Amino acid sequence: KQEVTQIPAALSVPEGENLVLNCSFTDSAIYNLQWFRQDPGKGLTSLLLIQSSQREQTSGRLNASLDKSSGRSTLYIAASQPGDSATYLCAVPGAGSYQLTFGKGTKLSVIP
Amino acid sequence: NAGVTQTPKFRILKIGQSMTLQCAQDMNHNYMYWYRQDPGMGLKLIYYSVGAGITDKGEVPNGYNVSRSTTEDFPLRLELAAPSQTSVYFCASSYPGQGTDGYTFGSGTRLTVV
Repeated sequence: KQEVTQIPAALSVPEGENLVLNCSFTDSAIYNLQWFRQDPGKGLTSLLLIQSSQREQTSGRLNASLDKSSGRSTLYIAASQPGDSATYLCAVPGAGSYQLTFGKGTKLSVIP
Repeated sequence: NAGVTQTPKFRILKIGQSMTLQCAQDMNHNYMYWYRQDPGMGLKLIYYSVGAGITDKGEVPNGYNVSRSTTEDFPLRLELAAPSQTSVYFCASSYPGQGTDGYTFGSGTRLTVV
């Protein structure tokens, strides 16, 4: 059974810092990995989708990497802003299916 | 805007009552899903569907039922509400067999059972 772990559970940084969020998964037989953002009381917004054949994906100040062999992904946020404050979730398809298995998320607070 | 629409956004139920959570998507996605999210926990899959007329159980299906009569709609039914079903429910959809475009989520339904 696929398990996804996100570290740290919470992170507080001053505005302007670069930061890294970590995601690890137990079954490396995945065909993609997706990072989501969730604001309090809101739904999930897709940030980046990395295919298994890719090692990186970039969108603006966000960069996600994927290392299937080690079962790890990182989300790098450059020059953090207070508007980046949210919970960040990573998710991978379960083995042999398209159902997503989610981590519990990292709650990010960017202090002005 | 195209996407996944969920109704209602909020609902309070009494123990033993029934209700249906509505979900509709207009992206012609074959795959649709229902997840629940409890505080401090990751999302758990309740039911999913790979196309009209086809549904299957996820990780936590007890106490719920679904149907998929059209590609667009995937309602979730609670027959006898229990306090353990207090949660936030998310509907999602995706392209089949590819995953190239990832998943699209609705904005959620916050349900409280008292």
